[in-house]
Amino acid sequence: AQSVTQPDIHITVSEGASLELRCNYSYGATPYLFWYVQSPGQGLQLLLKYFSGDTLVQGIKGFEAEFKRSQSSFNLRKPSVHWSDAAEYFCAVGAGNTDKLIFGTGTRLQVFP
Amino acid sequence: GAVVSQHPSWVICKSGTSVKIECRSLDFQATTMFWYRQFPKQSLMLMATSNEGSKATYEQGVEKDKFLINHASLTLSTLTVTSAHPEDSSFYICSAARDSSYNSPLHFGNGTRLTVT
Repeated sequence: AQSVTQPDIHITVSEGASLELRCNYSYGATPYLFWYVQSPGQGLQLLLKYFSGDTLVQGIKGFEAEFKRSQSSFNLRKPSVHWSDAAEYFCAVGAGNTDKLIFGTGTRLQVFP
Repeated sequence: GAVVSQHPSWVICKSGTSVKIECRSLDFQATTMFWYRQFPKQSLMLMATSNEGSKATYEQGVEKDKFLINHASLTLSTLTVTSAHPEDSSFYICSAARDSSYNSPLHFGNGTRLTVT
């Protein structure tokens, strides 16, 4: 069965520092991978997605993610974090041949000035 | 961009009563809508998938008779929590897609916080 693991429950960084949020997935075929961001009490906003092609994917708000098949990973990165990036980040994998998504447990990002 | 409106944003109800949550796609027709439940500091758990005009498909372990889902039109899906109990208190989120392909992005509502007293 498909699964997603986000090893880091909580990450704290200083504003302006670089960021990497980890995501590992388990899926037998080529996965469809997503990163979403959730602000407190809000729904989810899509940051970026990977279906095929270039393994380095650019998203909104200056985020990027790299698909590494050999490591079953899809880590999210940002070179310089802004205070407004503080939120919960979810990695998700597409479940089979449907459009259902399996979400990881999330990583809460805290940004200090 | 595509907008999904979820209403109400929060609701408090007494144990034993029923609560209806609406999910509307405001500027596009949503063939498929999804309902999720999110416990505090946890991930989203898919409850069911609803397709316009047909019965919802529930995930394993989700009680169909307790969580009634109706997708009567291409712009509206409703989730009714029947005979709510305190353990049903949670954050419920819907998402909508134009079609069922991966190229059709999911648009999420802002969620509904349900508190059952």
